[in-house]
Amino acid sequence: QSALTQPASVSGSPGQSITISCTGTTSDVGGYDFVSWYQQHPGKAPKLMIYEVSNRPSGVSNRFSGSKSGNTASLTISGLQAEDEADYYCCSYTSSSTVVFGGGTKVTVL
Amino acid sequence: EVHLLESGGGLVPPGGSLRLSCAASGFTFSNYAMSWVRQAPGKGLEWVSGILGSGATTYYADSVKGRFTISRDNSKNTLYLQVNSLKAEDTAIYYCAKEDTSSDYVDTFDVWGQGTMVTVSS
Repeated sequence: QSALTQPASVSGSPGQSITISCTGTTSDVGGYDFVSWYQQHPGKAPKLMIYEVSNRPSGVSNRFSGSKSGNTASLTISGLQAEDEADYYCCSYTSSSTVVFGGGTKVTVL
Repeated sequence: EVHLLESGGGLVPPGGSLRLSCAASGFTFSNYAMSWVRQAPGKGLEWVSGILGSGATTYYADSVKGRFTISRDNSKNTLYLQVNSLKAEDTAIYYCAKEDTSSDYVDTFDVWGQGTMVTVSS
């Protein structure tokens, strides 16, 4: 159950687009479309932003989008805003019927 | 409104035990799988354990298998995590989280509690 691989940090200026990658294996990301993304602000509980690779829950801005190619999933934030500054975690179902998270990516709005 | 409220955390010496609880409200608790997810200070999220709606099927991360036991009481709308043989590396905020759909999978968490802190130290 090794953690999925995410970049430690990504930054961008307001209005720009950024993409966070999440790399796993054929036993998790590559094998299932149960990839989700969570946003966490300091001192707060995580919030679901994307589920099943590319679906947005009600109330989540359409500036957030998800995709997957092979063993790598991606989260794109377009029109970056100051409020988007947070930690982001990817998550995948695994072949062991368990769940694995990525190590997390700190997004900084310059 | 869907709400999860954890309790039971605290300071415990290495080798000690605790029982964490998560009180659920605002949804039909027995229809949804539930999980515990932890976060060590300054670190990332780690899924710990999951349980299907009926309580008959449970899942564990390798790091806690044999030491932690997840259970639920659907008559009380409450999720539990019995944590035994605690180690310093178990120090973390423990969140309970609700599965997003009433399926037989543990994979996506749409509602989270505010967490309960477990500190393992002598």
